[in-house]
Amino acid sequence: NAGVTQTPKFQVLKTGQSMTLQCAQDMNHEYMSWYRQDPGMGLRLIHYSVGAGITDQGEVPNGYNVSRSTTEDFPLRLLSAAPSQTSVYFCASTTGWASNEKLFFGSGTQLSVL
Amino acid sequence: AQTVTQSQPEMSVQEAETVTLSCTYDTSESDYYLFWYKQPPSRQMILVIRQEAYKQQNATENRFSVNFQKAAKSFSLKISDSQLGDAAMYFCAYLYSGGGADGLTFGKGTHLIIQP
Repeated sequence: NAGVTQTPKFQVLKTGQSMTLQCAQDMNHEYMSWYRQDPGMGLRLIHYSVGAGITDQGEVPNGYNVSRSTTEDFPLRLLSAAPSQTSVYFCASTTGWASNEKLFFGSGTQLSVL
Repeated sequence: AQTVTQSQPEMSVQEAETVTLSCTYDTSESDYYLFWYKQPPSRQMILVIRQEAYKQQNATENRFSVNFQKAAKSFSLKISDSQLGDAAMYFCAYLYSGGGADGLTFGKGTHLIIQP
């Protein structure tokens, strides 16, 4: 059972380039989400999805696109990277928030935009 | 909007001693969850402990326990018998139980140093 898998682990981009951060989970979780973590900050929600075909914005969605064509995958797209998007990105998933449920995190992607 | 405040950017404790990390939050809701996450240098986010707001009993997980004061909106984490492996960033987080889709709101974290 792999859990939540994020690729790549590290990425360097030039300003204006585009890329997709991949996230896949094999736990049949309906809820998936993307967070970013900046130095001295906690994690902040970018986008989330409550099921295939359903996505919505979180706290800091500008500059990012998402889609959810399957239950397993939830990619995050940067259409035109900016230095302000330099951050560590985490994907997370869960079945829900009932008692004893928890959010499973991927190992993160460290992104640098030059 | 809800906010989570961790007022201690860094804490230091001697190995085997007890340390308490502070967290306060602001919400107008009555039903919610609170969490403490540990983030070691490996960057992995590890759930330490979880508290449901409707439960008056404080959650406990082995050496980790919380002091949940709902009226004061306070949720501190106590680590007993500190070990070198406890050294990490610790994040307090809030989740409104009525929706959940909004995701967790995190504090800025406390860097815990364990002195051997």
